[in-house]
Amino acid sequence: GDSVTQMEGPVTLSEEAFLTINCTYTATGYPSLFWYVQYPGEGLQLLLKATKADDKGSNKGFEATYRKETTSFHLEKGSVQVSDSAVYFCALRYPSHTGGFKTIFGAGTRLFVKA
Amino acid sequence: DGGITQSPKYLFRKEGQNVTLSCEQNLNHDAMYWYRQDPGQGLRLIYYSQIVNDFQKGDIAEGYSVSREKKESFPLTVTSAQKNPTAFYLCATGEGGQEQYFGPGTRLTVT
Repeated sequence: GDSVTQMEGPVTLSEEAFLTINCTYTATGYPSLFWYVQYPGEGLQLLLKATKADDKGSNKGFEATYRKETTSFHLEKGSVQVSDSAVYFCALRYPSHTGGFKTIFGAGTRLFVKA
Repeated sequence: DGGITQSPKYLFRKEGQNVTLSCEQNLNHDAMYWYRQDPGQGLRLIYYSQIVNDFQKGDIAEGYSVSREKKESFPLTVTSAQKNPTAFYLCATGEGGQEQYFGPGTRLTVT
């Protein structure tokens, strides 16, 4: 079945460092791909998305490109800030055989950014 | 101000009691979802509903029940049959293949 694998955390970086969080997926069809962010004690918020191969999603300095050939959707940011400390989830959304759509989430990667 | 509300934010119950978690949305989305999140883990789907008066089991439905009598509301009942009910519960909506919108969550502690 469809699945999402993302790198284990925690990831600890100094402020202004470069960030990469790896995400790979398996899917039988053509899912949409997402990165969500979760701050402590809150729900998830959409960070960025890509709905077809070669699309690049971007938001707040974060970027990820939908790579069908490598089945990847790695999250990158050129210069992280302390305020980026959070848990990041990679996800894919696909049509369910029972109707409608379902989302599969990766396990999440916790990011700590030190001043 | 469109969004999803979940109440209460924190809930404490004794073992053996049923408890109902509230989820209300004013986004006019047809589809609503309940997820469970345990520490250090991703989200697992409990139940989802594509339309009023219809819902399907997710991956971990045992010990839970839902209803969908109104488009805006999708309450989740955690029954005494759920063996490990202590967790963070998230309600979400979604339209088609687009992103999901999440509520702030309810942290349930059962002792």
